[in-house]
Amino acid sequence: DGGITQSPKYLFRKEGQNVTLSCEQNLNHDAMYWYRQDPGQGLRLIYYSQIVNDFQKGDIAEGYSVSREKKESFPLTVTSAQKNPTAFYLCASSRGQVGETQYFGPGTRLLVL
Amino acid sequence: GQQLNQSPQSMFIQEGEDVSMNCTSSSIFNTWLWYKQDPGEGPVLLIALYKAGELTSNGRLTAQFGITRKDSFLNISASIPSDVGIYFCAGPGSSNTGKLIFGQGTTLQVKP
Repeated sequence: DGGITQSPKYLFRKEGQNVTLSCEQNLNHDAMYWYRQDPGQGLRLIYYSQIVNDFQKGDIAEGYSVSREKKESFPLTVTSAQKNPTAFYLCASSRGQVGETQYFGPGTRLLVL
Repeated sequence: GQQLNQSPQSMFIQEGEDVSMNCTSSSIFNTWLWYKQDPGEGPVLLIALYKAGELTSNGRLTAQFGITRKDSFLNISASIPSDVGIYFCAGPGSSNTGKLIFGQGTTLQVKP
């Protein structure tokens, strides 16, 4: 089946710890995106990548890092510099053209211990 | 920058009622997308609109691309409990990329 997978579904982070959220797609999409969603809030763009080996900061990139070494994978690292990491994280992909539909993964909920 | 204003923010309705929500932009859009997010899941595309004045249906859902190209509407007829969730409108960002701008969402609750 074609789609986007995110793992894990739930993730716990200790203070001062970096954690990495996985996002994989087999839709052959060029572009991938990471969003953060807080309770009762909309989607805020963290990072996006239009093509392999290239990525751009979104609206709230501070405290996060990404890599795009493979077309199908776009992992997000939540670093210790992100002081309020508790949120629902959504990964999406698209063909990357203007106005193209983005397809979302099931999300990862990150909680701080 | 571009913004999307979605209203209402939330709705609490009785099963069987019809629902209307809308989205307005400060600038012209060439595409309007409507997504639904079930609790604890990722958003799923409901309807995509590509032409001013376009009216598109998907089952009990109907969406329209406003003639001014600055707004869009989503209607749900005869609501059922599984319609519960957050509905987002989205449109292309101003840059020449695949970025989307999302509205803040309309949270729908349906009372059986």
